[in-house]
Amino acid sequence: GAVVSQHPSWVICKSGTSVKIECRSLDFQATTMFWYRQFPKQSLMLMATSNEGSKATYEQGVEKDKFLINHASLTLSTLTVTSAHPEDSSFYICSARVGGTSPNEQFFGPGTRLTVL
Amino acid sequence: AQTVTQSQPEMSVQEAETVTLSCTYDTSESDYYLFWYKQPPSRQMILVIRQEAYKQQNATENRFSVNFQKAAKSFSLKISDSQLGDAAMYFCAYGDNNDMRFGAGTRLTVKP
Repeated sequence: GAVVSQHPSWVICKSGTSVKIECRSLDFQATTMFWYRQFPKQSLMLMATSNEGSKATYEQGVEKDKFLINHASLTLSTLTVTSAHPEDSSFYICSARVGGTSPNEQFFGPGTRLTVL
Repeated sequence: AQTVTQSQPEMSVQEAETVTLSCTYDTSESDYYLFWYKQPPSRQMILVIRQEAYKQQNATENRFSVNFQKAAKSFSLKISDSQLGDAAMYFCAYGDNNDMRFGAGTRLTVKP
C-alpha cells in the first residue's frame, strides 16, 4: 500500500514552453502533497506544500507564478513549470501524506527528470 | 527554522562490516519525527527507519538501528553487516506537523 506515482518520469521540452507533472496517490487519499526539487548530487529542497482544495504554500524563494501547483482532488496534485528555461532543469519529486496519520508519514513518488533545452 | 546537518559527504565500508552515519538537527518543537531515507541510483526515496521523538528507545529495523540522543539533537544511523545493496545516498530528515526537512546527504560506498 501507500504507493505514489508521478507522470511523466522524464520530459524534455524547449525553452519557453510549459510542462505539467502529475503526482497521484494510488491507494490512499492524500490530504497534503509536497513538491521537492533535487539538483544533481544535492539534497531535496521543499518547494511547496499543497492541501486539497486550497492554495499551495510556497517556500521562500520559490516563484509561485513560475511553479503552479494544483491539488484538485485527494489523489492528484499537479506541478506546472511555466515558461521553462534551462535553469529549471532538475529532478522533481512529490510526496503525499495520509490524513489522520502520525506527523509526516510521507510517501514519495519516483520523481520526474525535467530537461529544458 | 528546523535544520538538519549531515557532516559526512561520503563514507565507505567493507562488505559485512558496520558503519555509522551521523546526523544532527535543530528544532524548538517537542513533537517531531526523525527519519533516514535511502536514495539508490534510481532516485526513488526509500524509508529506512523512523524514530518518534517522544520515544526513548532507539528504533531498529533488521540490520539498521539508530542512536537517538534527544538532548544533543543527534540521530545517527548504524548499518550492521553491510551489503553491496546498501550502497546509496542516505538522507537524514526531520518531520513535524508542518513539513519535512532533509540533510545534505551521505554517499555510502560498500567495498566487496
